[in-house]
Amino acid sequence: GDSVTQMEGPVTLSEEAFLTINCTYTATGYPSLFWYVQYPGEGLQLLLKATKADDKGSNKGFEATYRKETTSFHLEKGSVQVSDSAVYFCAPTNFGNEKLTFGTGTRLTIIP
Amino acid sequence: KAGVTQTPRYLIKTRGQQVTLSCSPISGHRSVSWYQQTPGQGLQFLFEYFSETQRNKGNFPGRFSGRQFSNSRSEMNVSTLELGDSALYLCASSLEPITVSGTEAFFGQGTRLTVV
Repeated sequence: GDSVTQMEGPVTLSEEAFLTINCTYTATGYPSLFWYVQYPGEGLQLLLKATKADDKGSNKGFEATYRKETTSFHLEKGSVQVSDSAVYFCAPTNFGNEKLTFGTGTRLTIIP
Repeated sequence: KAGVTQTPRYLIKTRGQQVTLSCSPISGHRSVSWYQQTPGQGLQFLFEYFSETQRNKGNFPGRFSGRQFSNSRSEMNVSTLELGDSALYLCASSLEPITVSGTEAFFGQGTRLTVV
């Protein structure tokens, strides 16, 4: 069945550091790929998405590219801020699987 | 427009009791899906409803059930509560079924259930 492997956390970085959170997946067919973010005390919200190979999703300085050949959707940001501290979830969806599958989540803490 | 509303925000129940959680989706959204979030298991899919029909169910025991009303509001019920049911329960709404390509899920803030 579909599954997703996400970089284990927690991750602690200094402000303005470069961020990469790895995500790889196994899925039948051609899933849409999402990154969701959960800020403290809140539900999840969509950060970015990509729906086909080589698409790049971007939002709030974050980027991720749909790499079909490596089945990956790594999240990157060039210069993180304290306000980026949150838990990040990689989530592929696949019509055949009929559900949204979440990674384990990566807790990111940015220190000033 | 108003976001996804979950009520109540917090609940404390005793083992063996039952509980009903409510989710009001964004206006116009016909899909509601439910998830259980725990530190050990992460986010796990419970079920999805679309136009009052259950489309899919996750790997949870029959004590977990749900329904969706004609106005798209959804309720989730857990009977015979166990300590392990303590979790944050999140619901999400979307215009189309969650697995339609590119469909974004909008999440509520969740209901924190504690079973003692």
